[in-house]
Amino acid sequence: NAGVTQTPKFRILKIGQSMTLQCTQDMNHNYMYWYRQDPGMGLKLIYYSVGAGITDKGEVPNGYNVSRSTTEDFPLRLELAAPSQTSVYFCASSYLRGLPYNEQFFGPGTRLTVL
Amino acid sequence: GIQVEQSPPDLILQEGANSTLRCNFSDSVNNLQWFHQNPWGQLINLFYIPSGTKQNGRLSATTVATERYSLLYISSSQTTDSGVYFCAVEANFGNEKLTFGTGTRLTIIP
Repeated sequence: NAGVTQTPKFRILKIGQSMTLQCTQDMNHNYMYWYRQDPGMGLKLIYYSVGAGITDKGEVPNGYNVSRSTTEDFPLRLELAAPSQTSVYFCASSYLRGLPYNEQFFGPGTRLTVL
Repeated sequence: GIQVEQSPPDLILQEGANSTLRCNFSDSVNNLQWFHQNPWGQLINLFYIPSGTKQNGRLSATTVATERYSLLYISSSQTTDSGVYFCAVEANFGNEKLTFGTGTRLTIIP
């Protein structure tokens, strides 16, 4: 299993540009998450999904959109990039329905700079 | 929401030393995980430990859920242990959402 994969690894955007961060997991997990990590800080939840077609806001959703059309994929969309969105973005997945535990597994991250 | 505090914020140790990192949380939890973020930014799962004690090589962790804290022990530190250690918790009825602490930055000097 590849686990959780993210593309791209790095990206530089100009203010006002748009982009989609891709996230795919091959563990058949029901739940998927997007976090951002600002320098020197812990991770903060942007959006999460408990299954295909279901998404919900986390702690810091403004400026982002998500969709979940399949179990495997959970893309994050930035519509009008702003310097405040410069961060490292992590995707994670968890939860096989019926199991008694819920460990989250993280992708390698996407480092985004908005200039 | 649930609050997560980690201590100490920074720790500098000589290679071979032992260390204890602490995570306090403000409410009952379903899930607690310890992560190591290496100097390249990768998040590595260390332990899934909502309660009890686990060991993996030189690392071990203990969570006392009734007293709302968890400890991560690192013995015989190596330079590859350097990085930031995060504790993350999911509150009861938290819909599997993790709240992260701000981390402990560990530096191991050869």
